Amino acid sequence: GENVEQHPSTLSVQEGDSAVIKCTYSDSASNYFPWYKQELGKGPQLIIDIRSNVGEKKDQRIAVTLNKTAKHFSLHITETQPEDSAVYFCASSGGIQGAQKLVFGQGTRLTINP
Amino acid sequence: DTEVTQTPKHLVMGMTNKKSLKCEQHMGHRAMYWYKQKAKKPPELMFVYSYEKLSINESVPSRFSPECPNSSLLNLHLHALQPEDSALYLCASSLLLAGTSYEQYFGPGTRLTVT
Repeated sequence: GENVEQHPSTLSVQEGDSAVIKCTYSDSASNYFPWYKQELGKGPQLIIDIRSNVGEKKDQRIAVTLNKTAKHFSLHITETQPEDSAVYFCASSGGIQGAQKLVFGQGTRLTINP
Repeated sequence: DTEVTQTPKHLVMGMTNKKSLKCEQHMGHRAMYWYKQKAKKPPELMFVYSYEKLSINESVPSRFSPECPNSSLLNLHLHALQPEDSALYLCASSLLLAGTSYEQYFGPGTRLTVT
């Protein structure tokens, strides 16, 4: 089945710097790649997603890039702020596992230092 | 509005109790999901309902019993749970069109403790 690997597991950056989180997936048929932010005591919040017919998508300070050939996608956060501190999960769906099953990475704990 | 609501927020139950978790959404989504999340781990899919019918059961023990009474509501009935079932239970919903993945929106979760 699909496997999603996420790196790094923890990331600490200075406020105002950029943060990059990377994920690789195994199923070349996967076609939908969302990113979720989970704050302590809350449910995951969808922050951005990308489909396999697009290489890059941006929403204000957040961007996601997708390299289908390498089966790799990344989350980029620019001008980081303390409220960006959270756990971030990448996921994939649409391949062997079907359109409704999200396969998650293990998560990245991002800490923004003031 | 992309809100999924869940009640209760917290639940403590003994191993012989019967309790239910509730989830509600009014976005017109016809796919609804139950996930289980242990500390420091990603959510794990338990069940998927499509058009109010159970479409995916990820080999979940029968002590967890899902129910979808209508297109807006999803319940998870709990009976004879074990301490290792303590976790955050998340509900999610999404649009549903054959073969197409759509955004899944999660609720805040129910923090379950089994004593």
